[in-house]
Amino acid sequence: KQEVTQIPAALSVPEGENLVLNCSFTDSAIYNLQWFRQDPGKGLTSLLLIQSSQREQTSGRLNASLDKSSGRSTLYIAASQPGDSATYLCADFSGGYNKLIFGAGTRLAVHP
Amino acid sequence: DTGVSQNPRHKITKRGQNVTFRCDPISEHNRLYWYRQTLGQGPEFLTYFQNEAQLEKSRLLSDRFSAERPKGSFSTLEIQRTEQGDSAMYLCASSGVGSYNLYFGPGTRLLVL
Repeated sequence: KQEVTQIPAALSVPEGENLVLNCSFTDSAIYNLQWFRQDPGKGLTSLLLIQSSQREQTSGRLNASLDKSSGRSTLYIAASQPGDSATYLCADFSGGYNKLIFGAGTRLAVHP
Repeated sequence: DTGVSQNPRHKITKRGQNVTFRCDPISEHNRLYWYRQTLGQGPEFLTYFQNEAQLEKSRLLSDRFSAERPKGSFSTLEIQRTEQGDSAMYLCASSGVGSYNLYFGPGTRLLVL
């Protein structure tokens, strides 16, 4: 059974820092990996999707990479801003093509 | 594209009452998912529809829970005889044919007193 761990659980950084969020999987047979952002009390917003044949995806200041051999993914946020403050969740479709297995998330606070 | 919508956004009920939530997916999406999220945790899969067919149900979905998608468009999730442990955010998501990109709604936050 796939289990997803996100480290750190919480992170507080000053504005402008580059930062890395980590996601690891117990089963390295990762199918498709998706990173989401969740603002307090709100639903999830998809940030990046890395399909099984890909190793990374980029969108603006965000870059997500996937290393299947080690069962790890990282989300890199460049030049962080206060508006980046949110919970970041990673999830994998290894639970079957019809369901995502989520980590518990990393709560990010970027202060001015 | 107006996104995935869910109603109500908040629901407070007393233990033992029945509640029903509605999800309207993105119009051209044939797949619809329900997830449940408790405080400090990631969402957990509940059930999945492809068009009107319910193809998978989690063991988390006890017999007090039922979901429908009668015409392959909107979906409802009903919880009968609610318990305090049912308090959570209920999230709906949809995706299109051949796509693994899920679009989530804003969720319905349920509080059972």
